[in-house]
Amino acid sequence: LAKTTQPISMDSYEGQEVNITCSHNNIATNDYITWYQQFPSQGPRFIIQGYKTKVTNEVASLFIPADRKSSTLSLPRVSLSDTAVYYCLVGARDDKIIFGKGTRLHILP
Amino acid sequence: GAGVSQSPRYKVAKRGQDVALRCDPISGHVSLFWYQQALGQGPEFLTYFQNEAQLDKSGLPSDRFFAERPEGSVSTLKIQRTQQEDSAVYLCASSLLVALQETQYFGPGTRLLVL
Repeated sequence: LAKTTQPISMDSYEGQEVNITCSHNNIATNDYITWYQQFPSQGPRFIIQGYKTKVTNEVASLFIPADRKSSTLSLPRVSLSDTAVYYCLVGARDDKIIFGKGTRLHILP
Repeated sequence: GAGVSQSPRYKVAKRGQDVALRCDPISGHVSLFWYQQALGQGPEFLTYFQNEAQLDKSGLPSDRFFAERPEGSVSTLKIQRTQQEDSAVYLCASSLLVALQETQYFGPGTRLLVL
C-alpha cells in the first residue's frame, strides 16, 4: 500500500488559492489518488479522485505529474468554511484504504 | 436522498459495560466499512462488509469488538466490556460498489466516551 506524506498543517487567507501536496513515491500502477475533507464532528467527505494529469470538479482540482509520485489538491479562492482536515489516500490493499493524519488547513479572515 | 446515519451520536459508558453502535448505510450500497478515529488522528479501518459477508475484520482491536450486517443493510458494531482506550469516534461508511477505491460516504460518527 502506497505510503503518503502530506504537511501536518497549513494556514491561508480567505480568497487565496490553496495547494496541498501529497507525496506517494511507491504508488502502484492500479492505484488511484483520492482526497477527502473532514470538518469537526463530521465524517470525511469525498472531494476528488484522479489517476493522472488533471481532474477538476466544482470543488477542487487535482494535479498529478507524469511519474505519479506526488499529487496536488488545489482549492480556488478559499473561504473560512474550507477550514478542515484534508486526507490524501492512495490505492487500496487487502480490503482496506488507509487514512493518514491528514493536513489541517486553517483559513484566516 | 438520505445519507449514512449512525446512532446514537454520543454514548457515555462505564468501564466494563457493553455498547452497540448502529449504522444505516445508503440504500442499495453493497459495501459497508467501520472506522475508529482517535482525537487528532485519521480514521483507522476496523472491518468491511460486502452485503452480509464480513470480508475483513483484521482492524478490530480485540475480540471484545464484534460487527454484523445480517441482512446486508443495517450494521451494528458491538463492544463488550468497554475499556477507557475504546473512547473514540466510530465512523461508518458505505459505497455503492465493491471496488475499494470507490467513493465512500461517511456517517457523522458515534462519539464513545468510556469512564
